[in-house]
Amino acid sequence: GESVGLHLPTLSVQEGDNSIINCAYSNSASDYFIWYKQESGKGPQFIIDIRSNMDKRQGQRVTVLLNKTVKHLSLQIAATQPGDSAVYFCPTPQTGANNLFFGTGTRLTVIP
Amino acid sequence: DAGVIQSPRHEVTEMGQEVTLRCKPISGHDYLFWYRQTMMRGLELLIYFNNNVPIDDSGMPEDRFSAKMPNASFSTLKIQPSEPRDSAVYFCASSPRGGAYEQFFGPGTRLTVL
Repeated sequence: GESVGLHLPTLSVQEGDNSIINCAYSNSASDYFIWYKQESGKGPQFIIDIRSNMDKRQGQRVTVLLNKTVKHLSLQIAATQPGDSAVYFCPTPQTGANNLFFGTGTRLTVIP
Repeated sequence: DAGVIQSPRHEVTEMGQEVTLRCKPISGHDYLFWYRQTMMRGLELLIYFNNNVPIDDSGMPEDRFSAKMPNASFSTLKIQPSEPRDSAVYFCASSPRGGAYEQFFGPGTRLTVL
């Protein structure tokens, strides 16, 4: 099946700095992408989504960028806070299937 | 809405015992997913249902695992017999539109098999 690769399994940033979490995907037919955040002891939770006809979408302190040419996604978190410490996933749909491949995610640690 | 409900939250059992995990999806959601999460393998899809019917169980590791959805508001994941390598956090999620769209996850069941 198709898979998603994350460039770094862990990322540490200083509180107040901006964070960038990268994600590569292989299924060129994917037309919708979601970022999830999983805090310790909880299930993953939707953060933001983007459709393939967009290259940027902004939320509250978060921005997702999509580069379809190189099949790359990034999640940018502005002014990172301790509450942003979590594992982040950018799952993508499996080809011809109605499910998502999550993998191991990227663990973001915010240093006070 | 209370969200997706899972029980128990923690389960400790001995190798060879039967384990049953339970899930109540969000009302009105037609899709239900069971995942397993470990440090090494991350979050893996085990099986998903659409309108109570199992659609894809290719992620179920072996015959010791079985899942049922007798009605729209209840699903079980059973492991019989359990083994230490089954120790993981098991998540249930539901979705109104399908897995390619937003899924709503439960709090998970942490299973420890001794």
